[in-house]
Amino acid sequence: QKEVEQDPGPLSVPEGAIVSLNCTYSNSAFQYFMWYRQYSRKGPELLMYTYSSGNKEDGRFTAQVDKSSKYISLFIRDSQPSDSATYLCAGAPNFGNEKLTFGTGTRLTIIP
Amino acid sequence: EAGVVQSPRYKIIEKKQPVAFWCNPISGHNTLYWYLQNLGQGPELLIRYENEEAVDDSQLPKDRFSAERLKGVDSTLKIQPAELGDSAVYLCASSTTNEQFFGPGTRLTVL
Repeated sequence: QKEVEQDPGPLSVPEGAIVSLNCTYSNSAFQYFMWYRQYSRKGPELLMYTYSSGNKEDGRFTAQVDKSSKYISLFIRDSQPSDSATYLCAGAPNFGNEKLTFGTGTRLTIIP
Repeated sequence: EAGVVQSPRYKIIEKKQPVAFWCNPISGHNTLYWYLQNLGQGPELLIRYENEEAVDDSQLPKDRFSAERLKGVDSTLKIQPAELGDSAVYLCASSTTNEQFFGPGTRLTVL
């Protein structure tokens, strides 16, 4: 069993829709949870990170972590064609100079 | 500020040949990582450096892979000999005390 499981999709939604991306994890040592966005032929870039359980909002993006169920979510409101990318969730015991354990990534397409 | 620089961006070789990838991290970033990303998968850590020291190389296949980070700045990852299954994207990342910044990767194709 992988430490971080993620539905690979692909997921296609119309522009303006709310997108929900989800992951589960099994490593209880994870305290920090990250969402990375990766455009085609590019490296991943950090969108958001959260510590322990709770919500974090940044513009159109909201990250949620439920440690009791080991469930990680990313919501995108008012989705735009420029949001089309692969979204990777990741977990780590600490934030910073640590190995990141990634999910497989979900490929998202926003249809204009 | 320049990002993480990797070269080459693409490499095609025949199996059993050697290959090397180069990474220049963001200036001032003491921690450097090499990740392997197979098609349709998330990145997996190969090796992590703190300055010149490899502090986590547990996932590096040492029979064919080697890495170095002389002078604690840029780094080279080598594969010798390459196998068909090594075809993937090799990502370099760097960090100070928090966010890891990734380079664009080197896409390796082994024929």
